[in-house]
Amino acid sequence: AQSVTQLGSHVSVSEGALVLLRCNYSSSVPPYLFWYVQYPNQGLQLLLKYTTGATLVKGINGFEAEFKKSETSFHLTKPSAHMSDAAEYFCAVRKGFGNEKLTFGTGTRLTIIP
Amino acid sequence: GAVVSQHPSWVICKSGTSVKIECRSLDFQATTMFWYRQFPKQSLMLMATSNEGSKATYEQGVEKDKFLINHASLTLSTLTVTSAHPEDSSFYICSARDFEGGYTGELFFGEGSRLTVL
Repeated sequence: AQSVTQLGSHVSVSEGALVLLRCNYSSSVPPYLFWYVQYPNQGLQLLLKYTTGATLVKGINGFEAEFKKSETSFHLTKPSAHMSDAAEYFCAVRKGFGNEKLTFGTGTRLTIIP
Repeated sequence: GAVVSQHPSWVICKSGTSVKIECRSLDFQATTMFWYRQFPKQSLMLMATSNEGSKATYEQGVEKDKFLINHASLTLSTLTVTSAHPEDSSFYICSARDFEGGYTGELFFGEGSRLTVL
């Protein structure tokens, strides 16, 4: 079975500082990995995804993530935080082609300090 | 990108009544939609997979008689919470895959529907 662990339910960074949100996964088959962002009382928006190919993936709003198979990690980073980045971030894993069910992590709430 | 819309965004109902939530794919056809439930400050839990023209597939522990799912067309899935009780209060989110564009690995999510049962 697939699972996702997000370390740190709350992360606070200063505006302009590096953002690092951690995600580790467990999967018995090659995983498809996703990061989603959720603003208050809204649905989820895809930030980026890894399926196959290049392990460093770039997403929207300046975010990127690197798939590291040896570490079973898919951490999300952004070089310089912006106030608008304050939101809830979810890491998710899917078994792969043919199975569309997503397993979500518990989420990390990102707070930006002015 | 593909757009998924839910209605209503907010709903308040009395205990014992039934509430219907709609999930529509606005610019694509969705043979499969997924319904999630999110408790306050928690992650999303998959409730069921909605298949157009057939019965929904429910995850373990989800009462199918409580949460009725109908996927009558390629652009509409509905979730009906029957005989709602306060413990059913939650944020319900649907998602869908744009099949016609080929397999992109991406699911598109609706805005969510917040249900409060008094």
